[in-house]
Amino acid sequence: EAQVTQNPRYLITVTGKKLTVTCSQNMNHEYMSWYRQDPGLGLRQIYYSMNVEVTDKGDVPEGYKVSRKEKRNFPLILESPSPNQTSLYFCASSLSGGGLAYEQYFGPGTRLTVT
Amino acid sequence: AQKVTQAQTEISVVEKEDVTLDCVYETRDTTYYLFWYKQPPSGELVFLIRRNSFDEQNEISGRYSWNFQKSTSSFNFTITASQVVDSAVYFCALVGGSQGNLIFGKGTKLSVKP
Repeated sequence: EAQVTQNPRYLITVTGKKLTVTCSQNMNHEYMSWYRQDPGLGLRQIYYSMNVEVTDKGDVPEGYKVSRKEKRNFPLILESPSPNQTSLYFCASSLSGGGLAYEQYFGPGTRLTVT
Repeated sequence: AQKVTQAQTEISVVEKEDVTLDCVYETRDTTYYLFWYKQPPSGELVFLIRRNSFDEQNEISGRYSWNFQKSTSSFNFTITASQVVDSAVYFCALVGGSQGNLIFGKGTKLSVKP
């Protein structure tokens, strides 16, 4: 089944404790992206990757890191989480970025709480 | 700058009513793409439609229809004969330029009551 998977789905952590949210897609998509969703703000892009080894900042990259060493994986790293990073996070992938702007397929979401 | 505005924060209708969700966008790109996504209470994001800027034909898919008007920079979504299962948050989104970055509106929460 074609899908985007994220782990963990739920995470409660404390301020400053490094964490990684994994994202994997099995559709051979080139483009991958991370979003956060907050009440009243909709979804905002954190980072995106046009292809392997190519990543760039989205609208709200502060406090986050990403890497794209393999086509299928795009982990989101919070080196020192803070309470303002409490949010619902979505990973997404699409056939390609730019150009024809194919629809993005979203993972199920990761609900992160930082205390 | 690119922007998507969904002026309706929440809409409540009774089952079988028709409802239109508004979406107004801003972009300087001549080539761009518009999308609608649905987020049911379970939380996942479901792709509904993708439309490019050169195709202004309206589209109908079952009870769903979309009206794209470049003259007013709008891409409105109508649900005919709404059902309780249509209750969700609906997002309009825009991709312009070469990066493929999706710019979302803030969403419209639709509640369909029996």
